[in-house]
Amino acid sequence: AQTVTQSQPEMSVQEAETVTLSCTYDTSESDYYLFWYKQPPSRQMILVIRQEAYKQQNATENRFSVNFQKAAKSFSLKISDSQLGDAAMYFCAYRSANFGNEKLTFGTGTRLTIIP
Amino acid sequence: GAVVSQHPSWVICKSGTSVKIECRSLDFQATTMFWYRQFPKQSLMLMATSNEGSKATYEQGVEKDKFLINHASLTLSTLTVTSAHPEDSSFYICSASHASGGYNEQFFGPGTRLTVL
Repeated sequence: AQTVTQSQPEMSVQEAETVTLSCTYDTSESDYYLFWYKQPPSRQMILVIRQEAYKQQNATENRFSVNFQKAAKSFSLKISDSQLGDAAMYFCAYRSANFGNEKLTFGTGTRLTIIP
Repeated sequence: GAVVSQHPSWVICKSGTSVKIECRSLDFQATTMFWYRQFPKQSLMLMATSNEGSKATYEQGVEKDKFLINHASLTLSTLTVTSAHPEDSSFYICSASHASGGYNEQFFGPGTRLTVL
């Protein structure tokens, strides 16, 4: 079974600075997807960024980028130019690429606080 | 596009009663929907996978007789918590699978907070 580990329960960053959230995972599969989701106080889950395991290039979405290290099974999220609206719980998640298996396995989350 | 709604957004019920939560895909058809449970300050735990027209697939440890899931149409899945007890109090989130960018992405509903007295 796949597992996802987020070792940082809480992180804080000064507004406009850069912060990196860590995530490691364990799987025996060679093809899969990795995600970062944001859950603000409203508790609506929002997809931040997605990475396909077969792609060597790290995914980027505006101020959000990942550092995907497949051999190390590491998938960190970098948030640049942090904004107050970035304050939320961030969950790392894993999904198999096998057809018909769309289950998401989530990590325990990292609560990000933005300091004005 | 790809909006998922849940109803109700919150519900309070007495112990021993049953509660139904609806999950709707508003602008797309979803053959697969998922139900998650989230305890305070914890992660999302998958309860079951709901496929239109067939029985739901429950995760290990989830009581199928207690958490009844019905996916009768391509836009609606329901979760019924039967004979609810205080330990069933939680935040329930559904998601619906929709093709996006060459693969099936899960779009999440806003969640339902259940409080059992």
